[in-house]
Amino acid sequence: AQSVTQPDIHITVSEGASLELRCNYSYGATPYLFWYVQSPGQGLQLLLKYFSGDTLVQGIKGFEAEFKRSQSSFNLRKPSVHWSDAAEYFCAVGPWNSGNTPLVFGKGTRLSVIA
Amino acid sequence: DGGITQSPKYLFRKEGQNVTLSCEQNLNHDAMYWYRQDPGQGLRLIYYSQIVNDFQKGDIAEGYSVSREKKESFPLTVTSAQKNPTAFYLCASSIGIRTPETQYFGPGTRLLVL
Repeated sequence: AQSVTQPDIHITVSEGASLELRCNYSYGATPYLFWYVQSPGQGLQLLLKYFSGDTLVQGIKGFEAEFKRSQSSFNLRKPSVHWSDAAEYFCAVGPWNSGNTPLVFGKGTRLSVIA
Repeated sequence: DGGITQSPKYLFRKEGQNVTLSCEQNLNHDAMYWYRQDPGQGLRLIYYSQIVNDFQKGDIAEGYSVSREKKESFPLTVTSAQKNPTAFYLCASSIGIRTPETQYFGPGTRLLVL
């Protein structure tokens, strides 16, 4: 079955340090990939997305992600984390085929930022 | 402003009671979705709708019902058959579902059982 894995449930980084959140997917063809961010008690906000073309995509708030087909990965990165980046991050993939299938989400990675 | 609204922000349910969560969008999107979020579980799809008067079950539809009588509205009813309804509920919409369209999310409704 198709799946999205975010291996890290919780990550803590120091403010100003670099960040990488991992996302791996299981899918038989080229996926469409998304990263969303959720602040506590809020809805999800789109950070960036990859549909085709350049495998390094830029998003909002200084985030970027790189699609690596050989590793089935779409890791999210930020060179210098700010305290306001503390939130939960979700990777999503879809659609799986030409049919009508909603996005499949990973279980999320919670990011804590310390001074 | 265009967007998705969910109401109420907090909802309390008594045992044996049905409650309805509202979701409205003014983005002119065809597709709408309902997700349930529990700590550590990520987002789990309850129901989705690709077009008015049509909807499909997601992964955890038992104990829930929906309707799609208008393009802009997709209410979710949590029935008494849902034995563990306490969760955060998110509504989303997208232009369509056949292409890789971005889903846009509402602010959520937190349902608590009294």
